[in-house]
Amino acid sequence: GQQLNQSPQSMFIQEGEDVSMNCTSSSIFNTWLWYKQDPGEGPVLLIALYKAGELTSNGRLTAQFGITRKDSFLNISASIPSDVGIYFCAGQNYGGSQGNLIFGKGTKLSVKP
Amino acid sequence: NAGVTQTPKFQVLKTGQSMTLQCAQDMNHEYMSWYRQDPGMGLRLIHYSVGAGITDQGEVPNGYNVSRSTTEDFPLRLLSAAPSQTSVYFCASSYRQGAIYGYTFGSGTRLTVV
Repeated sequence: GQQLNQSPQSMFIQEGEDVSMNCTSSSIFNTWLWYKQDPGEGPVLLIALYKAGELTSNGRLTAQFGITRKDSFLNISASIPSDVGIYFCAGQNYGGSQGNLIFGKGTKLSVKP
Repeated sequence: NAGVTQTPKFQVLKTGQSMTLQCAQDMNHEYMSWYRQDPGMGLRLIHYSVGAGITDQGEVPNGYNVSRSTTEDFPLRLLSAAPSQTSVYFCASSYRQGAIYGYTFGSGTRLTVV
């Protein structure tokens, strides 16, 4: 089945630094999504991308849908302690079971105050 | 509060025991799904349902059964628990398969099989 490769696996950064993570796939997706999971909670949607080349921002978060439809990246600017958590990319296609989300393995972010 | 409710939050089972993880949503969502989360593996789809009476297998269905007798409930059954099923289980729902916004996750059930 389809697989998503997400990198890096983990990051330790200083408060105020910018963060970048990305996701690649061996096959195309029609939609790319980025989720954040706080400790002990379920994932929460951060950003959804619908069109190849699309660049979308949500506060300090910026995400892009790659031109080839096989990759996406997420940037976090000026990190703060509450950015700590696991970030997941997810891909989705249209139609039947392809509407199910496929998740990357996650990037664990730690922020030092 | 509206949302997806999972019970229990924590469970320890002995190998071979059976149990049911409960999932309920009060948003009248058609689509419900179960994922397991393992360290370094992300979230993998176990089973899903597009409506009452309809279920289908995901990526890792072996060892798990589901049923969907009502719109609100989507229980996950382990008939004979194995240590490999130690994981955190998440239930999620959305108003339809393929919908993105309103795709709501529960807070998870942490299961340990000894």
